[in-house]
Amino acid sequence: SQTIHQWPATLVQPVGSPLSLECTVEGTSNPNLYWYRQAAGRGLQLLFYSVGIGQISSEVPQNLSASRPQDRQFILSSKKLLLSDSGFYLCAWSARGPYNTEAFFGQGTRLTVV
Amino acid sequence: GESVGLHLPTLSVQEGDNSIINCAYSNSASDYFIWYKQESGKGPQFIIDIRSNMDKRQGQRVTVLLNKTVKHLSLQIAATQPGDSAVYFCAGNLQGAQKLVFGQGTRLTINP
Repeated sequence: SQTIHQWPATLVQPVGSPLSLECTVEGTSNPNLYWYRQAAGRGLQLLFYSVGIGQISSEVPQNLSASRPQDRQFILSSKKLLLSDSGFYLCAWSARGPYNTEAFFGQGTRLTVV
Repeated sequence: GESVGLHLPTLSVQEGDNSIINCAYSNSASDYFIWYKQESGKGPQFIIDIRSNMDKRQGQRVTVLLNKTVKHLSLQIAATQPGDSAVYFCAGNLQGAQKLVFGQGTRLTINP
């Protein structure tokens, strides 16, 4: 069966420090991969999605970047965190194919920038 | 582009009653919709989905209705239980696109 791993679960980082959040998927090949951010009490904002290795689409201009060095690995990064980067970050995957299918989410990383 | 929103940010229902959560979308090219349930501190969990060639789909205690004419979908939860307390999100996908766009969510509270 497919599983998605996202870590760490919580993170407290000072302003100006770098960030690296990692997400890996098991049990599937060629998945679509996504990074979402969720502010407290709000909906999910799509940050990045990827349909293949090295292929990254950015949805909103921001202080973050994403990379996909391997088929089932998706990394969210920042060189210098801002206070506004605080939030709940969620990684997700969906199956590649001719028809849209549901996305499966990891358990999230709660990032607090202080 | 696509946007997906919700009519109400909160909904309170009595335990045992039916719950109806509504969602509107803007892009008539959207062809796939999903409802997710998110409990506090966790990632969203898939509940049920529906494609644009259908107007109704039923699962266990849940029904999704899609009205393409008015670009509206709803989630009905039968005999609401305390474990149904969560935030519910609708999400839509444009035909041929690889990304889901989420609404803002409705917090469902169950009164004993």
